[in-house]
Amino acid sequence: SQQGEEDPQALSIQEGENATMNCSYKTSINNLQWYRQNSGRGLVHLILIRSNEREKHSGRLRVTLDTSKKSSSLLITASRAADTASYFCAPRGAGNMLTFGGGTRLMVKP
Amino acid sequence: DAGVTQSPTHLIKTRGQHVTLRCSPISGHKSVSWYQQVLGQGPQFIFQYYEKEERGRGNFPDRFSARQFPNYSSELNVNALLLGDSALYLCASSSMKEGGPGANVLTFGAGSRLTVL
Repeated sequence: SQQGEEDPQALSIQEGENATMNCSYKTSINNLQWYRQNSGRGLVHLILIRSNEREKHSGRLRVTLDTSKKSSSLLITASRAADTASYFCAPRGAGNMLTFGGGTRLMVKP
Repeated sequence: DAGVTQSPTHLIKTRGQHVTLRCSPISGHKSVSWYQQVLGQGPQFIFQYYEKEERGRGNFPDRFSARQFPNYSSELNVNALLLGDSALYLCASSSMKEGGPGANVLTFGAGSRLTVL
């Protein structure tokens, strides 16, 4: 299994602004997943993008994947205070285990 | 339909003691994974079980062990507790059907918060 590394480590924005966070990984993948974690709770799956996809949308979420650069980005549009959380990417390679990096801590100020 | 349930939600132990954490997966999910999350860090993979067999192990000492039961529930055991074992322990289940709907997507429980004094 492999681990993604999220960037930036922390991000603070005003409500209504867009938030962009990035993920880099090292080896080939089958898919890449993004998860959200509210403080001290379990992670919640947000979106999965397969290796043959370049972009995917789900509500206010937009994920891109560039396999040549081994990177992905998660865009949250028109952010809300309720989006305040930590966000983790999980690239999935040949194995079935998912591993996580340190995450991006997003703070959305009302 | 119930989600992933973990017990206990909070517990306090002292150094050298043993702890058992329990997890019940979503009905129909045959794979269970365990993660350790130290405050301020991302979840670290400990074990994955599928159909009662260990399918993956992270970089944790032998003090950590787990098993999966015929009903697919799972236990994580930690012996000889150290202060550094204080963390949120997360259990996640998945259907683990290649190509199936939701394949390889993890559903997490709320976690068991362990404090070692």
